[in-house]
Parts: sequence; C-alpha cells; structure tokens
Amino acid sequence: EADIYQTPRYLVIGTGKKITLECSQTMGHDKMYWYQQDPGMELHLIHYSYGVNSTEKGDLSSESTVSRIRTEHFPLTLESARPSHTSQYLCATRGPNSPLHFGNGTRLTVT
Amino acid sequence: QQQVKQSPQSLIVQKGGISIINCAYENTAFDYFPWYQQFPGKGPALLIAIRPDVSEKKEGRFTISFNKSAKQFSLHIMDSQPGDSATYFCAASKRDSNYQLIWGAGTKLIIKP
Repeated sequence: EADIYQTPRYLVIGTGKKITLECSQTMGHDKMYWYQQDPGMELHLIHYSYGVNSTEKGDLSSESTVSRIRTEHFPLTLESARPSHTSQYLCATRGPNSPLHFGNGTRLTVT
Repeated sequence: QQQVKQSPQSLIVQKGGISIINCAYENTAFDYFPWYQQFPGKGPALLIAIRPDVSEKKEGRFTISFNKSAKQFSLHIMDSQPGDSATYFCAASKRDSNYQLIWGAGTKLIIKP
C-alpha cells in the first residue's frame, strides 16, 4: 500500500548531537514537506521540495537542513541539536490533484 | 492577508450534540479550504474540503458551510461521537502559491459520553 513513513517515531538525544529524521514515501509524489508542530498546536512549514534537487525554506525559520536526492526520500538534518528543537516533526507529500498526506511524525526531545 | 483565524481554541460537546468550529480568512485569492483531523500521535488527515463555488458540502456527519462574502467557513459535526474527539485544523490555499496551505491554529474537540 502506498504510504509515507517517518523514522524514528520517538528520539531522545543530548544537546550538540547531529540527528537526521527520515521520511520516505512510496506514492511517487514530487511535492514533499516538513512541518514542525508542538503536540496539538499549530503546524509550521519549515521546508518543502517540488522535486529532486529542489528544496526551499518554509515560513518558519529553522536551523535544520533538508536534501532531496531521490523522489521517495526527504531527510531532515539538525547539525547540532538544542533543547529549543524539541518538538514534533511531520513529513507530508502531495500529488497532482490530491490532498496533503502526512506521516505519523517524529517526536524529538533534546535534553 | 495570509492568516487564517480559527476559533474556538477548545470545545467540549455532549455526545449526540453538534460541534461547530469556525475559520475566517482575509485573502480573497484563496480558492481551496480543507479541514484536517488529527488524533494524538498521528499526523493530520484530510476530513473534508470545499471550493468557493459552493456554499455547503456534506460528507456523512461532517458539513462545511462557506460564506464567501463574509470570508468565513465552518465545520459542523452532527451527532458528535466520542470517537470524534481530536484536534481539527482549517486551512486555505490558492493556485498561484502552488496550493501551499495556510493553517489555522487548531481546535481541540472533546466529546463527552
């Protein structure tokens, strides 16, 4: 079944560590997005991509970076994690004439 | 002009009652208005969406009412059930921004049995 997968689901890590949050999709969609969301709160777009080798920053300034080397893969990296990065990170895709489809998120805690 | 204002922030409704969540927007170029439902530990999922050429859209117990002149749209949940307890987000987008969604702040809905 075509879907979107995020790993890990939960991550607790110390300050200063480098982390990569994985997002992969089997739907073949060109458009992919990363949102930051404190649990149950407003969604903030931090990165998006409209295809391979295309990445843009979103509305919310973020110290994270992304890459899009393959259509199905859109990882997010924090070079040096800080407690202020503690949040939930949601990955989403959208195909032509289809709605935004979300993964179940990675809940990150930086101690 | 890009904002979507959602109210209330939280809502408690008795089982069987009607839940109503409201959103207002300013940008008249918006032409797609979805509602997303999010359960704890899950990503948001599309519930129902409307375009401004109709004033109402109904899917089962869920109805969107759209008032173009007032620049408002609302979600009505009829015969609300405990399983409807979730956070609901309205959003808006327009063609020339590649339909990138502008989100409301969310409403936490609790249905009391």
